[in-house]
Amino acid sequence: GENVEQHPSTLSVQEGDSAVIKCTYSDSASNYFPWYKQELGKGPQLIIDIRSNVGEKKDQRIAVTLNKTAKHFSLHITETQPEDSAVYFCAASYTGGYQKVTFGTGTKLQVIP
Amino acid sequence: DGGITQSPKYLFRKEGQNVTLSCEQNLNHDAMYWYRQDPGQGLRLIYYSQIVNDFQKGDIAEGYSVSREKKESFPLTVTSAQKNPTAFYLCASSRITGGGTDTQYFGPGTRLTVL
Repeated sequence: GENVEQHPSTLSVQEGDSAVIKCTYSDSASNYFPWYKQELGKGPQLIIDIRSNVGEKKDQRIAVTLNKTAKHFSLHITETQPEDSAVYFCAASYTGGYQKVTFGTGTKLQVIP
Repeated sequence: DGGITQSPKYLFRKEGQNVTLSCEQNLNHDAMYWYRQDPGQGLRLIYYSQIVNDFQKGDIAEGYSVSREKKESFPLTVTSAQKNPTAFYLCASSRITGGGTDTQYFGPGTRLTVL
């Protein structure tokens, strides 16, 4: 089955700096890669996703890149703000049938004011 | 507002008791899911359902049961057979399009503590 590894497990950045979180996946059939943000005591919220037919996607300060050959994808947050502090999860799945989503173990991001 | 609601937010259970966690969605999604989250870990799939009156076991179904009598509702029962039920439980739902399922959206979660 699919295996998703996520690094780093914790990340501290100064406000205004950039943050990068990296994930690798094992199943070449995976074609959908969402990223979720989870604040303390709340459910994960989808912040951006990418499908395997594109290499990069941006939404304001957030971007995701995908390298299918190397089987890795990354989340980039620019101009970080204290409200970006949360746990971020990457995930991978195949959407051709039932979508079993495999999640990474999460990255706790702390933005220091 | 469209969304997924879970209740209660906090639940306390004595050992040997069964408890039921509620999950309701008004997004008109066909598929619904239950995940368990332990501190510092990712999400593990307990059960999922793609259609009313049908559901499938996920990776950690032992000690849990579900029902799907209505499209909007997917309650999870944590039975006394679940040896370590203290965790954060998340319900999710998604559309089914073109033969496959779409993005999963999550509810706010229920924190279950066994006393």
